[in-house]
Amino acid sequence: EAGVVQSPRYKIIEKKQPVAFWCNPISGHNTLYWYRQNLGQGPELLIRYENEEAVDDSQLPKDRFSAERLKGVDSTLKIQPAELGDSAVYLCASSRTSEDEQYFGPGTRLTVT
Amino acid sequence: EDQVTQSPEALRLQEGESSSLNCSYTVSGLRGLFWYRQDPGKGPEFLFTLYSAGEEKEKERLKATLTKKESFLHITAPKPEDSATYLCAVQEVRGSQGNLIFGKGTKLSVKP
Repeated sequence: EAGVVQSPRYKIIEKKQPVAFWCNPISGHNTLYWYRQNLGQGPELLIRYENEEAVDDSQLPKDRFSAERLKGVDSTLKIQPAELGDSAVYLCASSRTSEDEQYFGPGTRLTVT
Repeated sequence: EDQVTQSPEALRLQEGESSSLNCSYTVSGLRGLFWYRQDPGKGPEFLFTLYSAGEEKEKERLKATLTKKESFLHITAPKPEDSATYLCAVQEVRGSQGNLIFGKGTKLSVKP
């Protein structure tokens, strides 16, 4: 069974530029999560989807971050414009339901210069 | 206030030297406690889920246990390939179902 796929793996951009991350969850997983992980810290949730509905986006900085999950499968997380403090690893995870264990992708390491 | 605290932050062991990692939590109602392993440059890898005090789960050299306030990850006779950061996360009964609250992790190094 294929795992969670994320792209790109690495991204370097200048501040104020836009950036987008893509995630393909495990087949059959209805719940999709985006996390941000800073160096030396655990992942912190940004947004959770149940199928195509964003059911928890309370931690998403909505002034510059946006996300979508079209047709309840793939998802895209966008930052516009990026700031220096956005440098981190962005992780996508999926689970069968919100109560099941989550499986993580390899992450996208974002560097904002 | 941290809801999930892991200790120690870093642990260096000799191959074969058994030890334990600690995860203490403060949530009003625990639905589940999760252990993950994270290698450098990779996403967290699921290890165990524990749901109730007294529960234990094992996988190779790892055994996870749960009490009402903390969980332990016991590593028996570790090998260098067990070197990684071990993350603990809790899922609350109330509030946002499904959301995991992670600790900062314990970085384990096992020397041959």
